[in-house]
Parts: sequence; C-alpha cells; structure tokens
Amino acid sequence: AQTVTQSQPEMSVQEAETVTLSCTYDTSENNYYLFWYKQPPSRQMILVIRQEAYKQQNATENRFSVNFQKAAKSFSLKISDSQLGDTAMYFCAFMKLEDMRFGAGTRLTVKP
Amino acid sequence: NAGVMQNPRHLVRRRGQEARLRCSPMKGHSHVYWYRQLPEEGLKFMVYLQKENIIDESGMPKERFSAEFPKEGPSILRIQQVVRGDSAAYFCASSTGQGFSGNTIYFGEGSWLTVV
Repeated sequence: AQTVTQSQPEMSVQEAETVTLSCTYDTSENNYYLFWYKQPPSRQMILVIRQEAYKQQNATENRFSVNFQKAAKSFSLKISDSQLGDTAMYFCAFMKLEDMRFGAGTRLTVKP
Repeated sequence: NAGVMQNPRHLVRRRGQEARLRCSPMKGHSHVYWYRQLPEEGLKFMVYLQKENIIDESGMPKERFSAEFPKEGPSILRIQQVVRGDSAAYFCASSTGQGFSGNTIYFGEGSWLTVV
C-alpha cells in the first residue's frame, strides 16, 4: 500500500508571508495523482490543488502552487501571500486509480 | 448539483448501541469511500465501494464494522455495539471512478459520532 508522510505536524506564518508544507510519499507506481486538501475549523474537506504524476509542470491555483519532484517522491505545497482564512489543517493525499490515502496532516496557523 | 450528502451530521449513541451513517454520493458518481478521523488526527482510509461491491476494505476493523453500497439508495457505514473509541468524525467521499480521466474525489461534510 502507498504511504504518505507529512513531517511537519504544525507550522505558523505571518499574514502576507509565504509558507511551504512538505509531503513525501512512497509508491512503486508510475501513474498517479497527488492532492492537497484543506480542512478548516468547520471540518469540511476542501480540495486545494491537484497534480497528475505524468505532468512535469507544477500545478498552480492562484496563491497555491506545488513543487512536484517525482524522482524524489516529494510534493510540497507553497502558499503565497498567506491570509488569515488559510488557517487550517492541510492534508496531502496520494491516489492511484480510485484508491486515495492521506498523510497525517499539518496544522497551519496564519498570524496577523 | 448537490455535493456528497452525509447524514446524520451528529449522532450520539450509548455504548453497545448500533450506529448507522449514510452517504449519498454526488450525482453521476458510482464510487464511495469512507474515512475516519479521530480527534487531532488525520484521515484513515476504511473502505472503498462501488455499487453492490466492496473493492477494498483493508482499513475497516474486522469486527463490528460493515459497509454497503446498494444498487439503490445511499451507502451505509454500520457500527455495531459501539464503544467510546469509535467516537470520531466519519467522512464519506465519492468519485466517478474513471481512473486517470480527470478523476477527483469529493468529500461530504462528515458525520460526528459520539459514544457516551
């Protein structure tokens, strides 16, 4: 089974600054998807960004971007111009076909 | 287009009772996943189902837990003889199950089970 590791249980960043959340995964597969989900205090799971493993170009969604290093099996999330509303748990996820597995999460706090 | 619907949102059960959590996938989705989130922890995979078929239940406890996704109606996660350790948020997610054709999993808002 695939494993996903998020080595930073908690992080904090000043408003308007940039922060990077780390994620590594272990798989023998070549084709798969990677995701970052955000879980705010409301506990909803909100899709932030998605990356297809066969694409070399890093995915970007407004202030959110990823650094996907396939050989290193690394998938970090960069949040630029952090906002107070970005305060949440962030989960990295790996998906092969329809099987999705999550990391343990990183609690991000954006400070005013 | 309604999202993934879970009910009840909150459920309180006494030890030894049964808990039933329901999940209606997004329209057009034929694959359902159940995840459990214990307090202050990440999501743990429990089971993955297609209509009338369990694909992967490797994350499901061997006893007291069962899941189904009938041809008609919602997916049901059933917990028999609940214990305090079952208190958690249970998230359902659904997808089209189309492999690499742009598949994305969408989550419901979760069902919070409290065992007293």
